[in-house]
Amino acid sequence: DAGVIQSPRHEVTEMGQEVTLRCKPISGHNSLFWYRQTMMRGLELLIYFNNNVPIDDSGMPEDRFSAKMPNASFSTLKIQPSEPRDSAVYFCASSLRGVTGELFFGEGSRLTVL
Amino acid sequence: AQSVTQPDIHITVSEGASLELRCNYSYGATPYLFWYVQSPGQGLQLLLKYFSGDTLVQGIKGFEAEFKRSQSSFNLRKPSVHWSDAAEYFCAVADPSGGGADGLTFGKGTHLIIQP
Repeated sequence: DAGVIQSPRHEVTEMGQEVTLRCKPISGHNSLFWYRQTMMRGLELLIYFNNNVPIDDSGMPEDRFSAKMPNASFSTLKIQPSEPRDSAVYFCASSLRGVTGELFFGEGSRLTVL
Repeated sequence: AQSVTQPDIHITVSEGASLELRCNYSYGATPYLFWYVQSPGQGLQLLLKYFSGDTLVQGIKGFEAEFKRSQSSFNLRKPSVHWSDAAEYFCAVADPSGGGADGLTFGKGTHLIIQP
């Protein structure tokens, strides 16, 4: 079975540019999570969706960040405008809500903002 | 709010030696507990999990962990490490009231180095 698929794997952009990260969760999973990983702060939960509905976005650092899940098989995390401090690895994870709590992670999108 | 502490940022172990990685959590009740491993450039892979019952849980790759309620700990162990175990290890907790559906809170991780 295919796991969680993220794209792009690597993105280098200049400050002020728009960045869009994409995620395809595991088929049948109904919860999706976006995490950010940095050396200083570790893994931080940014936002999560249940049945395509955003449940908690309290981890989204600023209004520059937005996330959508238009259907059960696709989600985006957008940063506009990007800043150097947004440089991090962004992980998408999915799960089957209420079953085990186990998250299945994608391989991450490494973002570098110059 | 729940939190997870992994007191060791780095640990160096000789190949073939035993390993114990520490994890302490702060939560009002017993949370769901997890250990994940992250190899360089990769996502996180679940090693094992604890929800209830037997406090010693077995995972993949020869790892095990023991839940100790009195110490609010969930330490990860392996009797004999292999060079391929070199990676970053994360302890995580989830709120059981939500069935673990509200995401995981992770510790900062422990970087495991294996000496030949």
